Amino acid sequence: RKEVEQDPGPFNVPEGATVAFNCTYSNSASQSFFWYRQDCRKEPKLLMSVYSSGNEDGRFTAQLNRASQYISLLIRDSKLSDSATYLCVVNYNFNKFYFGSGTKLNVKP
Amino acid sequence: DGGITQSPKYLFRKEGQNVTLSCEQNLNHDAMYWYRQDPGQGLRLIYYSQIVNDFQKGDIAEGYSVSREKKESFPLTVTSAQKNPTAFYLCASIAGGTDTQYFGPGTRLTVL
Repeated sequence: RKEVEQDPGPFNVPEGATVAFNCTYSNSASQSFFWYRQDCRKEPKLLMSVYSSGNEDGRFTAQLNRASQYISLLIRDSKLSDSATYLCVVNYNFNKFYFGSGTKLNVKP
Repeated sequence: DGGITQSPKYLFRKEGQNVTLSCEQNLNHDAMYWYRQDPGQGLRLIYYSQIVNDFQKGDIAEGYSVSREKKESFPLTVTSAQKNPTAFYLCASIAGGTDTQYFGPGTRLTVL
């Protein structure tokens, strides 16, 4: 079983839509959680950190459910520029990180 | 300008050759990491270093070697023992007392 699992997508949504991705992790001792955004052939860039139940930053909301061992990312009012791959990252061995394979989002006009 | 730099951006290597990828940071970060990414896959940890002159193997260290002689530099050597080295290599660093990784722009290695 993979340490971190994500639906690869793609999620194809129209501009203005709300879309949500889930990510499950296998180790209940996980300490912290992150969502990164990765554009094609570029490096990942930090979108949000999640340490407690959740975090919100503008149109983006991340939720953590430790009991069920998943985190989610909600994007409201999708923009064309949100098209990217979203990576879920889990830290559970003091600064040793595990990455999901990413969820691809395509926002269409 | 503070940041993480990786060079070269693209690298081509013949089979059987060793090659070294550069990673430099001027952020005064303590920990540095090397990952590889294959198409459609997540990042996999090759090596990491929490302090100078110390480093640990990640999940896929076979065929790779590293050194950490200076805080700002963490070069990765891809040896001829690495059976499938063609990939996108990413270097990251973390400031002391935090757990947020910042990435360099990556090196795309192709074995011909």
